[in-house]
Amino acid sequence: EAGVTQFPSHSVIEKGQTVTLRCDPISGHDNLYWYRRVMGKEIKFLLHFVKESKQDESGMPNNRFLAERTGGTYSTLKVQPAELEDSGVYFCASSPGVYTGELFFGEGSRLTVL
Amino acid sequence: GNSVTQMEGPVTLSEEAFLTINCTYTATGYPSLFWYVQYPGEGLQLLLKATKADDKGSNKGFEATYRKETTSFHLEKGSVQVSDSAVYFCALIPSGGSYIPTFGRGTSLIVHP
Repeated sequence: EAGVTQFPSHSVIEKGQTVTLRCDPISGHDNLYWYRRVMGKEIKFLLHFVKESKQDESGMPNNRFLAERTGGTYSTLKVQPAELEDSGVYFCASSPGVYTGELFFGEGSRLTVL
Repeated sequence: GNSVTQMEGPVTLSEEAFLTINCTYTATGYPSLFWYVQYPGEGLQLLLKATKADDKGSNKGFEATYRKETTSFHLEKGSVQVSDSAVYFCALIPSGGSYIPTFGRGTSLIVHP
């Protein structure tokens, strides 16, 4: 069974540019989460999808971030325009349900904004 | 709000040494507690969990006991191996309401032969 895959693994962009990160969850997992880790700090929650619906987007930092999940399958996270403080590792995770607490993570997408 | 505090790393040990990584939490009610591990080049994966006070989670020789009185969930292993080198994250899910896990900052473990 394929795990959670994220693309790209590393992206380096200039301040003001746009970047789109993609996540393919484990097939059949309705729940998809985006998290971000900045330079050795906590892994912070960004948002949670159930199928194609945004269940909780309380962690999205501002309106420069846009997440979508087309047809309840893969998800994209777009940052436009990128700022220096957006640098970090963006993790995607999926789960079949919410009650066990076990999330299946991708390897992360490292974003560097110069 | 909910939060998890982990000891700063890196923790550097020799093979076969005893490991403790401290984790304390702040949350209302009775959260569920987790340890995740991230090996180099991989995503985080669940290591163990405990869902109520005094429960002990265990896996791969690692153990952690849910201590409500001290709001702690310290990770221990009696004899570490080089292959245990990884980053360890403590996490909680609050009781009631949102089931979104809250993570700590992670503690890097380096084990030397």
